[in-house]
Amino acid sequence: KAGVTQTPRYLIKTRGQQVTLSCSPISGHRSVSWYQQTPGQGLQFLFEYFSETQRNKGNFPGRFSGRQFSNSRSEMNVSTLELGDSALYLCASSLVRLGSQETQYFGPGTRLLVL
Amino acid sequence: GDSVTQMEGPVTLSEEAFLTINCTYTATGYPSLFWYVQYPGEGLQLLLKATKADDKGSNKGFEATYRKETTSFHLEKGSVQVSDSAVYFCALTSGGSNYKLTFGKGTLLTVNP
Repeated sequence: KAGVTQTPRYLIKTRGQQVTLSCSPISGHRSVSWYQQTPGQGLQFLFEYFSETQRNKGNFPGRFSGRQFSNSRSEMNVSTLELGDSALYLCASSLVRLGSQETQYFGPGTRLLVL
Repeated sequence: GDSVTQMEGPVTLSEEAFLTINCTYTATGYPSLFWYVQYPGEGLQLLLKATKADDKGSNKGFEATYRKETTSFHLEKGSVQVSDSAVYFCALTSGGSNYKLTFGKGTLLTVNP
């Protein structure tokens, strides 16, 4: 079974631009979560989507948004990019909506560099 | 709020040495605990997990025991290999009706031949 896939793997943007990242979950998985990884802040939860609805959101500004399609694929959008948005963005999928025992499986990430 | 504290790295060991990476947590309710590993240039891979007190998770020679009384989930391996060099993250899920993974800062392990 194929794992979580993310595209593109690398991106270079300039301040003020916007960017869209894509994530395809493991086949049959219906929940997709997004995380930001930076050297300073570590791994931080952005949001979770399940059944095309945002179920949970981390402490990030409104410039960070996402959506999920009927086939469970998800996109994340960052508008008005700032230098501090440079990070590795990780997508994770799970079979059902996140619960206390649910395991998330991660993709390889999209590395975003904002110049 | 929920938090995970891992021992600071980096940790450098010789091949076949014993490994311990300490992890303690603070959480409401009864969290599930995880260890993830990140190899250079890659995403996170689940290494092992435990979902209730006294559970022992194990995989690829690594193991960790969920200790509720000490709120700990230390990672151990009896004999490390060069291929174990990676960053290790301790994590938990909890949060009432809004579950998410909360991660520690990560511990870089380097194993020399």
